[in-house]
Amino acid sequence: AQTVTQSQPEMSVQEAETVTLSCTYDTSESNYYLFWYKQPPSRQMILVIRQEAYKQQNATENRFSVNFQKAAKSFSLKISDSQLGDTAMYFCAFMKHLNSGGGADGLTFGKGTHLIIQP
Amino acid sequence: AAGVIQSPRHLIKEKRETATLKCYPIPRHDTVYWYQQGPGQDPQFLISFYEKMQSDKGSIPDRFSAQQFSDYHSELNMSSLELGDSALYFCASSQRIATNEKLFFGSGTQLSVL
Repeated sequence: AQTVTQSQPEMSVQEAETVTLSCTYDTSESNYYLFWYKQPPSRQMILVIRQEAYKQQNATENRFSVNFQKAAKSFSLKISDSQLGDTAMYFCAFMKHLNSGGGADGLTFGKGTHLIIQP
Repeated sequence: AAGVIQSPRHLIKEKRETATLKCYPIPRHDTVYWYQQGPGQDPQFLISFYEKMQSDKGSIPDRFSAQQFSDYHSELNMSSLELGDSALYFCASSQRIATNEKLFFGSGTQLSVL
């Protein structure tokens, strides 16, 4: 079974600052995907960024980027030029590749980090 | 672009009643997942379907059942409701090959059991 750990229950930064959210995971799988999802107060679950474990290059999506360290099983999210609309709960999530066998058991989530962007 | 549609958005039930939640995946998506998110909790995987067949089961109580129909929509049936079943229930869909394991979530159904 996989586990995902987010050690920061809550973080607060000023608008326009850069913030990094931490995530570590544990798995015996070699082929998998990692995700960051954002859940604003509306509680909609929004995909922020996705990383394929076999790719060494870190994924980026505009102001969002990850630092993926496969050997250390670490997957942190960096938000640059933070905006008030970035205020949300952020979940790190793991999904094993379907070629690893087993069914489509979807995502294993961490407990989340509540990010607050202060004006 | 079409998104995952869930209905109803809100549902209020009494203890021991039954509830049915519906999910309409994005067109051409072949996989549906159900998640339960309690207050202040992370989402927990309940069950998934691929091409209308049950694919995997997570922490789904025996009082719950689900199925995926020929038009790919899915329903989560919940019986003998308990106070602890109050939660936000998400449905997500994906197309296994084309979207390379990107799950798209619906807006959720907020179930309140009184």
